[in-house]
Amino acid sequence: QSALTQPASVSGSPGQSITISCTGTSSDVGGYNYVSWYQQHPGKAPKLMIFDVTYRPSGVSNRFSGSKSGNTASLTISGLQAEDEADYYCSSYTSSNTWVFGGGTKLTVL
Amino acid sequence: QVQVVESGGGVVQPGRSLRLSCAASGFTFSSYAMHWVRQAPGKGLEWVAVISYDGSNKYYADSVKGRFTISRDTSKNTLYVQMNSLRGEDTAVYYCARDESLGILGYWGQGTLVTVSS
Repeated sequence: QSALTQPASVSGSPGQSITISCTGTSSDVGGYNYVSWYQQHPGKAPKLMIFDVTYRPSGVSNRFSGSKSGNTASLTISGLQAEDEADYYCSSYTSSNTWVFGGGTKLTVL
Repeated sequence: QVQVVESGGGVVQPGRSLRLSCAASGFTFSSYAMHWVRQAPGKGLEWVAVISYDGSNKYYADSVKGRFTISRDTSKNTLYVQMNSLRGEDTAVYYCARDESLGILGYWGQGTLVTVSS
């Protein structure tokens, strides 16, 4: 149950697009389309942003999108806004009937 | 509205036990699987355990297997985690979350802090 690999930090200017990667193995990310992404602001509970690789829950901005290729999933945020500054975590179902999170990525909006 | 509220956190000595609760409201508790997720101070999220909607299936992270037990009481709309043989590395905010489907954690509580220290 090793954590999925995410970059520790990414940054972008308002209006730009950024992409956060999430790399696992064929036993988790690569084996299932059960990848979710969560946004967490300081001192707050995580919020679901993307599920099943590409789907957005109701109420989440269409500036957020997800994709997957092989063992790597990605979260793209377009038209960056100041309010997007937060920590982002991916998670995936695994072949052991468990779940695993990524180490988290701190997004800074410059 | 859907709500999950954790309680039971506090300071506990290494080797001792603690039980956390998660009170659910605003939805049919018996229809949803539920998870515990924790976050050590300044660290990332770590998945802990899941219990199926009817309590028949339970799965754990390797880091807590054999020490933690997840359970639910449908009559009380409450999720639990019994934590035994606590270690310093178990210090974290513990969140409960509702599983919308196959690990989609749609609703989270605000968490309860567990500190394991002598």
